[in-house]
Amino acid sequence: TQLLEQSPQFLSIQEGENLTVYCNSSSVFSSLQWYRQEPGEGPVLLVTVVTGGEVKKLKRLTFQFGDARKDSSLHITAAQPGDTGLYLCAGPCPMRFGAGTRLTVKP
Amino acid sequence: NAGVTQTPKFQVLKTGQSMTLQCAQDMNHNSMYWYRQDPGMGLRLIYYSASEGTTDKGEVPNGYNVSRLNKREFSLRLESAAPSQTSVYFCASSGGTGRYSNQPQHFGDGTRLSIL
Repeated sequence: TQLLEQSPQFLSIQEGENLTVYCNSSSVFSSLQWYRQEPGEGPVLLVTVVTGGEVKKLKRLTFQFGDARKDSSLHITAAQPGDTGLYLCAGPCPMRFGAGTRLTVKP
Repeated sequence: NAGVTQTPKFQVLKTGQSMTLQCAQDMNHNSMYWYRQDPGMGLRLIYYSASEGTTDKGEVPNGYNVSRLNKREFSLRLESAAPSQTSVYFCASSGGTGRYSNQPQHFGDGTRLSIL
């Protein structure tokens, strides 16, 4: 069983702060995906990382895939209230999701 | 663009009742999935369908059945609902094939199911 552990489980910060959330596993993944889920909606894909060491940027969000392809991180710069949501990582083999990090950004 | 449409959005059942959750996608995707989401446990795969006419079990299939009616529609049935099946159910579709694909999954907005 390939488990994905996400940390922290909850994070509450003020607008303008930076933050990093983590997705870790003892298994190697061919790729990892990050999704954001807002209340009352389904998850929406943010990014897929495929290559070990890969860094992808999406505006103020920076995603990194670990060199060994066992972990990934999501860094948000200057967080805004619109970033509030549940951030989920997912691996494809088999399709498995972490429990998520619930982020609240206070104005 | 409708994407993935789930019905109903909310449902309350009594223990032992049956019901079918409906899902339809208009993106011509091959693969469709059913998940349940419980607090602190993320999304868990119940069943998936890599193509029309094929289905396979996921991580938590017990108590559920599915039907891939055609390429667009994938339904989830609870034959005899139990309180442990109280959850939010999400349907998703993907252009990839099977549960090993890293193609993006597109999700519906969920069905909130309570079983008393």
